[in-house]
Amino acid sequence: KAGVTQTPRYLIKTRGQQVTLSCSPISGHRSVSWYQQTPGQGLQFLFEYFSETQRNKGNFPGRFSGRQFSNSRSEMNVSTLELGDSALYLCASSLEQLARSGEQFFGPGTRLTVL
Amino acid sequence: AQKVTQAQTEISVVEKEDVTLDCVYETRDTTYYLFWYKQPPSGELVFLIRRNSFDEQNEISGRYSWNFQKSTSSFNFTITASQVVDSAVYFCALSEALEDTGRRALTFGSGTRLQVQP
Repeated sequence: KAGVTQTPRYLIKTRGQQVTLSCSPISGHRSVSWYQQTPGQGLQFLFEYFSETQRNKGNFPGRFSGRQFSNSRSEMNVSTLELGDSALYLCASSLEQLARSGEQFFGPGTRLTVL
Repeated sequence: AQKVTQAQTEISVVEKEDVTLDCVYETRDTTYYLFWYKQPPSGELVFLIRRNSFDEQNEISGRYSWNFQKSTSSFNFTITASQVVDSAVYFCALSEALEDTGRRALTFGSGTRLQVQP
């Protein structure tokens, strides 16, 4: 069974630009969650999508948005990039919603560098 | 206040030593879940265990064991006879329902970097 895949693995952008990251969950998983990992703030929950609907959201500004498609693939978008957005963005998929606290399987992450 | 505290930033042990990673949490939710994840140098988080708030039974899985104590709000993780391959950053996490929205949030601790020397 293929694991969670994220594309691209590395990305370099400049301030003010926008970026879209993609996540393909494990086949059959309907929940996709996104996390931001930085040395300063650690691992922080961004949002969760389940059956194409955002179910939970962390404490991030509206520049961070996402969506989920009918095949459960998810995209995360960050607009008007700031230097502080440089981070490893991790995607996780699970069978159940975060509310059911099912086991989450993580992808390798996308490392975003904002110059 | 930190919801999940991993006071040990970095631990270094020699192979075959036992090591315990501490995790203290804070929540008002009565139904919550605790997790441990391992993040090896490759960066991919690996799920190790989930424990719900109603199950205080300790668990052992090979060289790994977990001690959940609600009375002290702790969920500690012990590796017995550590190996070099255990070198990684270990995260403790808490899933709880938020008071204001009722939605569930997952909060990670800051992680403990474990280095196992040969």
